[in-house]
Amino acid sequence: DADVTQTPRNRITKTGKRIMLECSQTKGHDRMYWYRQDPGLGLRLIYYSFDVKDINKGEISDGYSVSRQAQAKFSLSLESAIPNQTALYFCATSDHRGEGETQYFGPGTRLLVL
Amino acid sequence: GNSVTQMEGPVTLSEEAFLTINCTYTATGYPSLFWYVQYPGEGLQLLLKATKADDKGSNKGFEATYRKETTSFHLEKGSVQVSDSAVYFCALHTSGTYKYIFGTGTRLKVLA
Repeated sequence: DADVTQTPRNRITKTGKRIMLECSQTKGHDRMYWYRQDPGLGLRLIYYSFDVKDINKGEISDGYSVSRQAQAKFSLSLESAIPNQTALYFCATSDHRGEGETQYFGPGTRLLVL
Repeated sequence: GNSVTQMEGPVTLSEEAFLTINCTYTATGYPSLFWYVQYPGEGLQLLLKATKADDKGSNKGFEATYRKETTSFHLEKGSVQVSDSAVYFCALHTSGTYKYIFGTGTRLKVLA
């Protein structure tokens, strides 16, 4: 079974709708992240969380919100979806202990906003 | 601020050709450097990393050496295979911070 899972894998929605993307991990990591990937732009950080009570905005948080329901679960919501939020969304986790903090990514959610 | 610059793709090679994908960085402090690979339809996965100057990361025939004097972390492989076709991302992370900096990715296509 995958260590970092995301649901749904694909989603089509309409402008103005509220949607939620979910992420779960079994790695036991304390840190979780949401990124979006757009062609030619690489990955951009939306939100990150260092533990259940510590949630922070990334570089492109406008129009998004998150919830860390448990150490293993981190959800991303689009309050009122708009077409320029069409992208590939990734959840990632990391463990701050040890040297060289590697991130572990889920398989992604492909979102299309019409 | 910190940044990562990697060569633009796509890079198209024949099977068994030598691969180099350039990556340079700017950073304060002493970051760890990473190469991630993204196969079609999948998330990014760690390919290799190096945590201090002169370290060499290696995995699956790929190598990269952390060069502080040239602020570079170029990815190399001596003989690529069709199965290496993917997008490769260079990234850095400074210990104690939340922020990973990713390059824009380089698409590699290997032809049989």
